[in-house]
Amino acid sequence: EIVLTQSPATLSLSPGERATLSCRASQSISTFLGWYQQKPGQAPRLLIFDASRRVTGIPARFSGSGSGTDFTLTISSLEPEDFAVYYCQQRSNWPPLTFGGGTKVEMK
Amino acid sequence: VALVQSGGGLVQPGGSLRLSCEASGFLVGDSYMSWVRQAPGKGLEWVSVIFGGNSDRTAYVESVRDRFAISRDISNNTLYLQMTSLRPEDTAVYFCARTFADGYIKYWGQGTLVTVSS
Repeated sequence: EIVLTQSPATLSLSPGERATLSCRASQSISTFLGWYQQKPGQAPRLLIFDASRRVTGIPARFSGSGSGTDFTLTISSLEPEDFAVYYCQQRSNWPPLTFGGGTKVEMK
Repeated sequence: VALVQSGGGLVQPGGSLRLSCEASGFLVGDSYMSWVRQAPGKGLEWVSVIFGGNSDRTAYVESVRDRFAISRDISNNTLYLQMTSLRPEDTAVYFCARTFADGYIKYWGQGTLVTVSS
């Protein structure tokens, strides 16, 4: 099973700052990685798929990069509504699908 | 597209429960459909998938294999998760999800809490 490790666990930032979230896979997954945002009491929302492709309707301040084992989600300038938990998910040779442990982006 | 879940609740260890997920706006028979769970205060864990194209093929995470069964009723356009031999560690919010063939999840149910406790 492919294990995804996200870092940091918590990111404390202010609105307008840049957020950089990391996801590392236990083996190469090419670009088969997605990013989800989850707010309290809500289901997750897909933001990015195939490492760098933004879902229709997702703001351009969200971008993804990486391939192989190292991936990054960048939020260029945090808006108040961006404070949430972010999960990466791999789909290489699925099933199974696996998720990372999450990064909480909290307001400083 | 909408997924409306029902079922869930409190059950004793060793008990059984069935979750339902009624879909609208698409056909569950044509789609890959998954269950994903989230233990209180924890991250997401994929649980099971039933393949698209009206396939009978299913897959499960190791921890629930032989205890949980995913199925669908095309006439009701509804997805199910039959859970047996429940354990306290199965306590979680369970989400049904329309999973695209490429493995990404764009549509989610609202989630339903399952609590396994005596």
